[in-house]
Amino acid sequence: QQQVKQSPQSLIVQKGGISIINCAYENTAFDYFPWYQQFPGKGPALLIAIRPDVSEKKEGRFTISFNKSAKQFSLHIMDSQPGDSATYFCAASRPMRGTNAGKSTFGDGTTLTVKP
Amino acid sequence: DTAVSQTPKYLVTQMGNDKSIKCEQNLGHDTMYWYKQDSKKFLKIMFSYNNKELIINETVPNRFSPKSPDKAHLNLHINSLELGDSAVYFCASSQRYRPPAFFGQGTRLTVV
Repeated sequence: QQQVKQSPQSLIVQKGGISIINCAYENTAFDYFPWYQQFPGKGPALLIAIRPDVSEKKEGRFTISFNKSAKQFSLHIMDSQPGDSATYFCAASRPMRGTNAGKSTFGDGTTLTVKP
Repeated sequence: DTAVSQTPKYLVTQMGNDKSIKCEQNLGHDTMYWYKQDSKKFLKIMFSYNNKELIINETVPNRFSPKSPDKAHLNLHINSLELGDSAVYFCASSQRYRPPAFFGQGTRLTVV
């Protein structure tokens, strides 16, 4: 059972365009939704995260939109740049107390290519 | 100073061997993780420790044994290596029970 479904698998965007990556989750016990950016040969890096009591969070060119009723959240990268080319992972995390405290389930990743 | 450091970065070994990967974090975090990333880049949690206590133990073969001598270190020992163990293994850390905030650079394990 795949608890976090991420789409698309790959994405090509022109420089200056908007990149949108979507995730859907099943388990309503999740209470924290981070996004990670991974460059080739490097470990993932925490990019931005949101809690379900907020519908949107923006940090610079990166915005998370969250729809609790639909159990969906998405990452928007505004004014995409070639340096944004990387693999992006969404994740959903369990509460910090109880069974499997803080356990994160990752989506399968989206490879973003931003063309100059 | 590297926040989360893993050694070695590359590990090539024969089937049946035993190997260890070491991880250290200098962030003062309480929680540390091991993740496995396969050739398709799927990230799967293996273990997590909080202040030396095992918190998460996914369905991982018994050949994999984590050890946390103190909260700044989490090592991974693998016995009787198999071809299917070939992957990149990432260590990560975070504040108490939070999802991983910092990842190491990874250890690329190749079993031949």
